[in-house]
Amino acid sequence: DTEVTQTPKHLVMGMTNKKSLKCEQHMGHRAMYWYKQKAKKPPELMFVYSYEKLSINESVPSRFSPECPNSSLLNLHLHALQPEDSALYLCASSQGRGGSYSNQPQHFGDGTRLSIL
Amino acid sequence: AQSVTQLGSHVSVSEGALVLLRCNYSSSVPPYLFWYVQYPNQGLQLLLKYTSAATLVKGINGFEAEFKKSETSFHLTKPSAHMSDAAEYFCAVRDTGGFKTIFGAGTRLFVKA
Repeated sequence: DTEVTQTPKHLVMGMTNKKSLKCEQHMGHRAMYWYKQKAKKPPELMFVYSYEKLSINESVPSRFSPECPNSSLLNLHLHALQPEDSALYLCASSQGRGGSYSNQPQHFGDGTRLSIL
Repeated sequence: AQSVTQLGSHVSVSEGALVLLRCNYSSSVPPYLFWYVQYPNQGLQLLLKYTSAATLVKGINGFEAEFKKSETSFHLTKPSAHMSDAAEYFCAVRDTGGFKTIFGAGTRLFVKA
């Protein structure tokens, strides 16, 4: 069992749908991340929240909209996605902010496998 | 800029044989290095991390890695492979002072009976 919980595990949606991915952790971590992972590739960073504020947006298309309502929850809102957006979406968390916390590992959820029809 | 290179996209070993997965890093400052494992249909799980306290780092599931500054390497080893070790392994370096984790391309480990 992982300490970062992601729901749903699988999601199939059409290109005109709106859906949300959810991520929850109760480890007291104050940095939370969204990654996109295509098959046989490493994870690619999308967004980073630190203390509930968006710190990094890796030039992600606006059809992906992150939200961090509190220190334990992270959402990724999806709208008008394209077939190339089909992938495994991973959430992760780690202690604190950068700097002296850079030696802290990230804890990953098991991901949401997203398929766009 | 920091980066990691994993040598070999696929490694195949027999059960009971030594596992050696190679990782070289590029960093202008002392790096924070990690090895993660990913089993099918799962997220990434931390195997071990190097944070300058000791050059030989022991991790979970019998894995260990040695930090060699002179070779800019952080290779992952396990004395005796088990079938359950078959997975994808990622070497990663943490962006000093920031949040970014730079992952290597990954090495798929196959274990033959």
